[in-house]
Amino acid sequence: DIQMTQSPSSLSASVGDRVTITCRASQSISTHLNWYQHKPGKVPEVLIYVASNLQSGVPSRFSGSGSGTDFTLTISSLQPEDFATYYCQQSYNIPYTFGQGTKLEIK
Amino acid sequence: QVQLVESGGGVVQPGRSLRLSCAASEFTFSNYAFHWVRQAPGKGLEWVAIISYEGKNKYYADSVKGRFTISRDNSKNMVYLQMNGLRTEDTAVYYCTRDGSWYFDLWGRGTLVTVSS
Repeated sequence: DIQMTQSPSSLSASVGDRVTITCRASQSISTHLNWYQHKPGKVPEVLIYVASNLQSGVPSRFSGSGSGTDFTLTISSLQPEDFATYYCQQSYNIPYTFGQGTKLEIK
Repeated sequence: QVQLVESGGGVVQPGRSLRLSCAASEFTFSNYAFHWVRQAPGKGLEWVAIISYEGKNKYYADSVKGRFTISRDNSKNMVYLQMNGLRTEDTAVYYCTRDGSWYFDLWGRGTLVTVSS
């Protein structure tokens, strides 16, 4: 199985900050990497698919990059509604696997 | 509107069975593969199973293989997860998700399964 490792596991930041979350795969997954946002009591939502494609309706302050084994999710200017847990997920091989999550909290 | 709605969760004793259902609406159901993804209390997301658009291909996480069965009924726009031999570690919110070509593009609100004696 492909292991996905996110860093950091938690992060404190302020509104307006630029934030980067990284995700590393245990083997090459080309660009089969997706990012999800999950808020407490809400349904997870895809932000970025296939490494760098912004899902329709997602604000342009979110961006994704990477290929092979190393990927990043960047939020260019944090907004209050962005405080949530973020997960990366690979769809290169079954079983699809998620990273352990990055909890983004208000500083 | 376009949505997935899960049902069938509840409290069940270890070793017993439960069947989850997922009702899809307002899109061409038979064009899509579907997954079940779960989240245990205080834990992250875990992929559980996938079924192909026509129902022929099914794959499972090792943690549920041999105990869980995913199925679908394209005439009813329904996806199911039959869970047998439930364990306490299966306690989680179970989400039905649509496969939008290598990513989960639509999620239901989830149904809570609690396995406890």
